[in-house]
Amino acid sequence: EPEVTQTPSHQVTQMGQEVILRCVPISNHLYFYWYRQILGQKVEFLVSFYNNEISEKSEIFDDQFSVERPDGSNFTLKIRSTKLEDSAMYFCASRPVRGRNTEAFFGQGTRLTVV
Amino acid sequence: QKEVEQNSGPLSVPEGAIASLNCTYSDRGSQSFFWYRQYSGKSPELIMFIYSNGDKEDGRFTAQLNKASQYVSLLIRDSQPSDSATYLCALQAGTALIFGKGTTLSVSS
Repeated sequence: EPEVTQTPSHQVTQMGQEVILRCVPISNHLYFYWYRQILGQKVEFLVSFYNNEISEKSEIFDDQFSVERPDGSNFTLKIRSTKLEDSAMYFCASRPVRGRNTEAFFGQGTRLTVV
Repeated sequence: QKEVEQNSGPLSVPEGAIASLNCTYSDRGSQSFFWYRQYSGKSPELIMFIYSNGDKEDGRFTAQLNKASQYVSLLIRDSQPSDSATYLCALQAGTALIFGKGTTLSVSS
């Protein structure tokens, strides 16, 4: 069964460092997402990406965040200068088409720890 | 600001009982709603979605939507210990999903 894969599963970084989280969405999907979940809190939308550009972004997705689809398969989230409060589980997701009832498939997540 | 509210629980039910999970939302214009299950430390996985008023059944799960009252519920029949997880209610806003904080369900054997 196709799945969204994320690497690494766990990333530890020092405050102020740049990190890149990687995702391989399901191959025929068109919409890609990043969500985050701070420990004990709700899953929060960061950004959606369609047709090689950002479709929507939340208030959380400020200038220190960026997304890229560098080739035909990878989808990345870059955090330029990490802060302690960026520590969270980051989930990548993909959907096949736009529409109100199409399932978003989530990857297993990358746990980011900023020290 | 679209909000989704859930009672965080925990909701404890014995094995074989019906578990009832509820969710309310703030935006009357919301159309599509999703229930996800999340095991501790894992990613959300979709249980079912609903967009029409009324009930929608899938196996042991029934989702109920009442747009006039702005609530969504999930019933789990014949609850099993393996159903113990956090259940996330979400609504679709544009291309994004807006999640509630989730209700933790504990099914005791």
